Amino acid sequence: DAGVIQSPRHEVTEMGQEVTLRCKPISGHNSLFWYRQTMMRGLELLIYFNNNVPIDDSGMPEDRFSAKMPNASFSTLKIQPSEPRDSAVYFCASSLDLDSLLVFGPGTRLTVL
Amino acid sequence: AQSVSQHNHHVILSEAASLELGCNYSYGGTVNLFWYVQYPGQHLQLLLKYFSGDPLVKGIKGFEAEFIKSKFSFNLRKPSVQWSDTAEYFCAVTGTGANNLFFGTGTRLTVIP
Repeated sequence: DAGVIQSPRHEVTEMGQEVTLRCKPISGHNSLFWYRQTMMRGLELLIYFNNNVPIDDSGMPEDRFSAKMPNASFSTLKIQPSEPRDSAVYFCASSLDLDSLLVFGPGTRLTVL
Repeated sequence: AQSVSQHNHHVILSEAASLELGCNYSYGGTVNLFWYVQYPGQHLQLLLKYFSGDPLVKGIKGFEAEFIKSKFSFNLRKPSVQWSDTAEYFCAVTGTGANNLFFGTGTRLTVIP
């Protein structure tokens, strides 16, 4: 199994631009999570899905952030417009279900200039 | 409110020294506890976990952690660190049946050869 796949691995963009982060969960996993990692705040849960349905998006920092999961094998996290304070590593993780352990992807390092 | 505290932000040790990283949590109800490790350039990996039973948990690479319920603590230990243990270590907690992990801010461990 290739594990959780995230793309791109690195993204550098300018303030105001739209950024789309992508995640492919492990095949057969029904739950998907987006986390953000910063030096100041550590790891924060942004949103999670179960069976493609968003369950809790209370961690999404503001309306500039949105996430979708159109099917069981793909999810996106979009930031529009991006700001320098969005610079962080964004992790996607998946699990068989909400009671199972998470498997993390390699992360996307986002830099907003 | 759920929270996880890791009081050591950066720990520097010489090889063969003993390690103890502190983790305290605040969570109502029964908890599941985790330590994750992130090696330089790699993504998060599960080091060990506690669900129930023996409060002394053995993990990979010689790590162990002890759950002390009365102190709301889950400290990570290793008797003799190696240079390859240089990484960032995250403590996390979730409630039974839930999978939205709450992470601490992490502790960076630097092992000097």
